Amino acid sequence: DIQMTQSPSSVSASVGDRVTISCRATQGISSWLAWYQQKPGKAPKLLIYTASTLQSGVPSRFSGSGSGTDFTLTISNLQPEDFATYYCQQANSFPLTFGGGTKVEIK
Amino acid sequence: EAQLLESGGGLVQPGGSLRLSCVDSGFTFSSYAMSWVRQAPGKGLEWVSTISGYGSSIYYADSVRGRFTISRDNSKNTMYLQMNSLRGEDTAIYYCAKVILRQGSYYYYMDVWGKGTTVTVSS
Repeated sequence: DIQMTQSPSSVSASVGDRVTISCRATQGISSWLAWYQQKPGKAPKLLIYTASTLQSGVPSRFSGSGSGTDFTLTISNLQPEDFATYYCQQANSFPLTFGGGTKVEIK
Repeated sequence: EAQLLESGGGLVQPGGSLRLSCVDSGFTFSSYAMSWVRQAPGKGLEWVSTISGYGSSIYYADSVRGRFTISRDNSKNTMYLQMNSLRGEDTAIYYCAKVILRQGSYYYYMDVWGKGTTVTVSS
């Protein structure tokens, strides 16, 4: 199975900041990676898939990069509604696996 | 706009059974693979199972294989998760989610999610 490791597990940031979240796979997954945002009490929301494709309706301040084993989610100009937990997910092979999550908190 | 609605959650004793349902509205249900993803209290997301559009391909997490069965009835736009031999560690919110379809191929990312149904396994 492919394990996904996110770092950091939490980050404190202010509105307007740039935040970077990393996700590492235990083996190469090409670009088969997605990022989700989840707010408390809500279902996850797909932000980015195939590592860098922005899902329809997602603000352009969200961007993704990487391939192989190392991936990055960047949130530019952090907005109040962006405080949430973010998960990566590999779609290279079954079982599908998620990272442990990164909580973006208000500084 | 596609919408998914789960039902069937509740409190069940260890060793018991439960059947979850997920009804779609707003998209051609049979065209899409569907998944179940769960989230234990205070924990992260865990993929549970995926079924292809006509049910010919099915995948399970090791943690549920042999105990859970995924199925779908496209005439009713409904997907199911039959859960048997339930354990305490199955306690979670269970989400159903639609898999992305691009150019005739499944990209196993989930772009539409239901609000979830809560399963509690406890005596």
